[in-house]
Amino acid sequence: DAGVTQSPTHLIKTRGQHVTLRCSPISGHKSVSWYQQVLGQGPQFIFQYYEKEERGRGNFPDRFSARQFPNYSSELNVNALLLGDSALYLCASSFQPLTGIYGYTFGSGTRLTVV
Amino acid sequence: SQQGEEDPQALSIQEGENATMNCSYKTSINNLQWYRQNSGRGLVHLILIRSNEREKHSGRLRVTLDTSKKSSSLLITASRAADTASYFCATSNSGGSNYKLTFGKGTLLTVNP
Repeated sequence: DAGVTQSPTHLIKTRGQHVTLRCSPISGHKSVSWYQQVLGQGPQFIFQYYEKEERGRGNFPDRFSARQFPNYSSELNVNALLLGDSALYLCASSFQPLTGIYGYTFGSGTRLTVV
Repeated sequence: SQQGEEDPQALSIQEGENATMNCSYKTSINNLQWYRQNSGRGLVHLILIRSNEREKHSGRLRVTLDTSKKSSSLLITASRAADTASYFCATSNSGGSNYKLTFGKGTLLTVNP
């Protein structure tokens, strides 16, 4: 059974560009969360989607947006990239939106470098 | 903002020794979770302890939670070189924001063969 898959694994973009990151949750999981991890720090919450609706948003600018599709996969979009957006972007899936009993299953992440 | 603070920031031990990592947090929680991360890749869920639990075991892992002190500890017994990784505590806060995890900065554990 496939785990959480993220694509691409690595990405290099120029300041001002736009980027789209993709995530496919574990089969049967309806909730997808996005986290940003800057080097040397713990992950920071960006968004959570459940049943295609946004359930929560972290303290990130409007340049960050996301959506969830009918098959529960998700995209994270970042516009007008800044050097400070360079980070590992992690996707986590769970059966339900609350952190509940089982914790989250994370993907391996997308390493975004902005130059 | 970071909720948890792990201590120590880095820990180096010999294979076979026990490793203890501590985590402190600031607000009331529903549960506290520990994750492992190898070489800056994805996080692996290790164990979850609820706010009404005081201790939990999973294999070589032992987690304690003291809600009065807002602290938790993770003990890895009989460590192995493969345990080398960064370990993060993450809290699920009580109240309306219990859909997200708030992570600390992590402890880098090095187990020397």
